[in-house]
Amino acid sequence: DTEVTQTPKHLVMGMTNKKSLKCEQHMGHRAMYWYKQKAKKPPELMFVYSYEKLSINESVPSRFSPECPNSSLLNLHLHALQPEDSALYLCASSRAGRNTGELFFGEGSRLTVL
Amino acid sequence: RKEVEQDPGPFNVPEGATVAFNCTYSNSASQSFFWYRQDCRKEPKLLMSVYSSGNEDGRFTAQLNRASQYISLLIRDSKLSDSATYLCVVNMVGTYKYIFGTGTRLKVLA
Repeated sequence: DTEVTQTPKHLVMGMTNKKSLKCEQHMGHRAMYWYKQKAKKPPELMFVYSYEKLSINESVPSRFSPECPNSSLLNLHLHALQPEDSALYLCASSRAGRNTGELFFGEGSRLTVL
Repeated sequence: RKEVEQDPGPFNVPEGATVAFNCTYSNSASQSFFWYRQDCRKEPKLLMSVYSSGNEDGRFTAQLNRASQYISLLIRDSKLSDSATYLCVVNMVGTYKYIFGTGTRLKVLA
């Protein structure tokens, strides 16, 4: 019953593949986030878009490429990943501006890189 | 020193027990505080925002101590379904950086 929808829920890809993760929210939020989470660790911030512009890139390798086509959609394009990139990728959204409030998470996309 | 620190646990408590978690943060400019709950292989879900005056939601009570830079979560009358990892999250006003603690694992035993 989450209001942030992520697809696919599971993805298996080889190191030479190109794939994309998608995220959609209809809460009118103007800030959207990608987090990566490994087992037994907290989520790690990767990217933040605010008002459809990239606000934060936490020094993420270029094999991860984010895209924000409009205020409701956020994509993460994947290319030439490594097995250590296998993780749960979480999309989140919040209000934008000075008082962002809480983060709303999607259910995540579980990625396995072979 | 980590920006947000939590005791990772695990805390193993019997049903009906009261359990408390603390979380310390290092940046005094931190302005928004939250407790999230995360079940195994699921996404984090907001449990409570933490307000300066403290707040309660049923069996859950959250407190903020700005002078000592910590927040706490108290769970009364623990249920089996409370078993999860509890994440402390801190945000600085005007930024999009939410800093997560490592999480505290709680296991409620029958």
